[in-house]
Amino acid sequence: KQEVTQIPAALSVPEGENLVLNCSFTDSAIYNLQWFRQDPGKGLTSLLLIQSSQREQTSGRLNASLDKSSGRSTLYIAASQPGDSATYLCAFKAAGNKLTFGGGTRVLVKP
Amino acid sequence: GAVVSQHPSRVICKSGTSVKIECRSLDFQATTMFWYRQFPKQSLMLMATSNEGSKATYEQGVEKDKFLINHASLTLSTLTVTSAHPEDSSFYICSARSRHSGQGAGGYTFGSGTRLTVV
Repeated sequence: KQEVTQIPAALSVPEGENLVLNCSFTDSAIYNLQWFRQDPGKGLTSLLLIQSSQREQTSGRLNASLDKSSGRSTLYIAASQPGDSATYLCAFKAAGNKLTFGGGTRVLVKP
Repeated sequence: GAVVSQHPSRVICKSGTSVKIECRSLDFQATTMFWYRQFPKQSLMLMATSNEGSKATYEQGVEKDKFLINHASLTLSTLTVTSAHPEDSSFYICSARSRHSGQGAGGYTFGSGTRLTVV
């Protein structure tokens, strides 16, 4: 059974500091991995998608890496802002339709 | 971009009544829709997968007679919580995938969620 783990579960940093969020998965038969953002009481917003053939994806201050051999993905957020405060979820996709989500990392960026 | 509209955003109902949640894909045809449940400070747990015109596939431990899913068209799926009880109170989120893989980020677009409170 695929397991997706996110560490840490919660993170609090001062504004301007870089954020490093970790996601690990047990199944090496990965199709792609996505990072999502969820604000309280809201749905999910897709941030970055990394295909299994890629090593990283970048969008603005966000960079996500994928290391299939070690079963890890890392989301970097540079120069954090209070508006980055949210829960970040990674989701693993193997062949088929299902996404398996990690437990999420709750981020608080203090002004 | 692909948009999924989910309604209602919040609903409070009395114990024993039924509640219907709708999920619509606004600008694409969703051949597959997913229904998730999320408890406070926890991740999303897949409840069921529905394909247009066929019966939903439920995950282990999810009561199909309690959580009725209908995916009658390519743009609409509904989740009905029947005979709701306080323990059904949760945040429910739908997700849709288009027939064209890759539309939207990874092909999955999420609704904004429904907060159900059963009193």
